[in-house]
Amino acid sequence: DAGVTQSPTHLIKTRGQQVTLRCSPKSGHDTVSWYQQALGQGPQFIFQYYEEEERQRGNFPDRFSGHQFPNYSSELNVNALLLGDSALYLCASSLKGGNQPQHFGDGTRLSIL
Amino acid sequence: GNSVTQMEGPVTLSEEAFLTINCTYTATGYPSLFWYVQYPGEGLQLLLKATKADDKGSNKGFEATYRKETTSFHLEKGSVQVSDSAVYFCALSDRGTGGFKTIFGAGTRLFVKA
Repeated sequence: DAGVTQSPTHLIKTRGQQVTLRCSPKSGHDTVSWYQQALGQGPQFIFQYYEEEERQRGNFPDRFSGHQFPNYSSELNVNALLLGDSALYLCASSLKGGNQPQHFGDGTRLSIL
Repeated sequence: GNSVTQMEGPVTLSEEAFLTINCTYTATGYPSLFWYVQYPGEGLQLLLKATKADDKGSNKGFEATYRKETTSFHLEKGSVQVSDSAVYFCALSDRGTGGFKTIFGAGTRLFVKA
């Protein structure tokens, strides 16, 4: 049973560029959340997708956008990259509901030069 | 807004010592509470959870009780092992408009010496 898979593993971009990160949820899960984790910090909630719609959003600018597809997979897009966007981006999947545990992928390490 | 505060690390203990990692939260609603763990070289994984006041979550010898009166969810283990060395994250999940938002603490790194 495959868990949460993310691609790519690592990515290097320059300021001003755009990036797309991808996530396939654990089999049977219908809800996907995205997080940004800076070194030595806890994950910061970006947004959550369910039924192909953004359901909740954290304190991130509109440069961060996402999408969920009918097969529940998801993308995170970041436009106009800034140096401060360098971080580990984590995808987590779950069943719908606040008391459901989340299963995390290994993340995409994004470096901005 | 909602927030989670954990005790700062690193915490260094000898094997078989008692462990407590403090976690307090602020929330406007009635959140579910979680502890996640990240072992060296591995991804985040759920350790335990509690969904309402006075619930006790437990797993692998770890326990935490949802205390609404003190807004706390402290993690405890009676006898730690070297294999417990990891980073531990306290988190809450609360309902907002349309869905749930999960807030994590900054994490507490635990080192256990043989």
